[in-house]
Amino acid sequence: QVQLVQSGAEVKKPGASVKLSCKASGFTFNNYFVHWVRQAPGQGLEWVGQINPRGDGTTYAQQFQGRVTMTRDTSTSTVYMELSSLTSEDMAVYYCARDSSVYAPNIWGQGTLVTVSS
Amino acid sequence: QTMVNQEPSFSVSPGGTVTLTCGLGSASVSTRHYPSWYQQAPGQAPRTLIYSTNSRSSGVPDRFSGSILGNKAALTITGAQADDDSDYYCLLYMGRGIYVFGSGTKVTVL
Repeated sequence: QVQLVQSGAEVKKPGASVKLSCKASGFTFNNYFVHWVRQAPGQGLEWVGQINPRGDGTTYAQQFQGRVTMTRDTSTSTVYMELSSLTSEDMAVYYCARDSSVYAPNIWGQGTLVTVSS
Repeated sequence: QTMVNQEPSFSVSPGGTVTLTCGLGSASVSTRHYPSWYQQAPGQAPRTLIYSTNSRSSGVPDRFSGSILGNKAALTITGAQADDDSDYYCLLYMGRGIYVFGSGTKVTVL
């Protein structure tokens, strides 16, 4: 069964960092890009970035440059997203999603809620 | 940051047809943007409907279709059903590994 399972909800203080995980199963991990997408409460979807699990590179949306880092561990088929200098505007559900190989995510994780509160 | 525009909302009667669009302002959306479309019900993860302009994702009913209309990408729902009542988002590939979501359209079926 092709699936992505994300880590549990996080509560962080302003200024802190958060590292989320996304574990893949049911497919060849190295063959697919993985996207990260977020959704603030009551707002639309926002593309954060993507990683090539082969390790060839990452691309990030301009508004997250310098604050986000995506990494992967091929031994556990897991991708990670770390976001630093959190503010209340980073409160959102964060989704990982496997690309379909035709420039579109088509397998989605269940989402991880990140709460930023002092 | 590039803005991708969608209609804020649409209302459609059961059995009716509605076309949502996805635009880049004065620039044109083309197949080179590989437009894709997503449905999202409240509290749920997005579901991929259409990729590469007009290819339906596995298991998606054929009442959903994608196209380029003029200078925009379009998603048409033909024969709307009650469970099509959702938010819909487009996603465009801008090149160099960068993607942008549209602002989203809320579709009400009543």
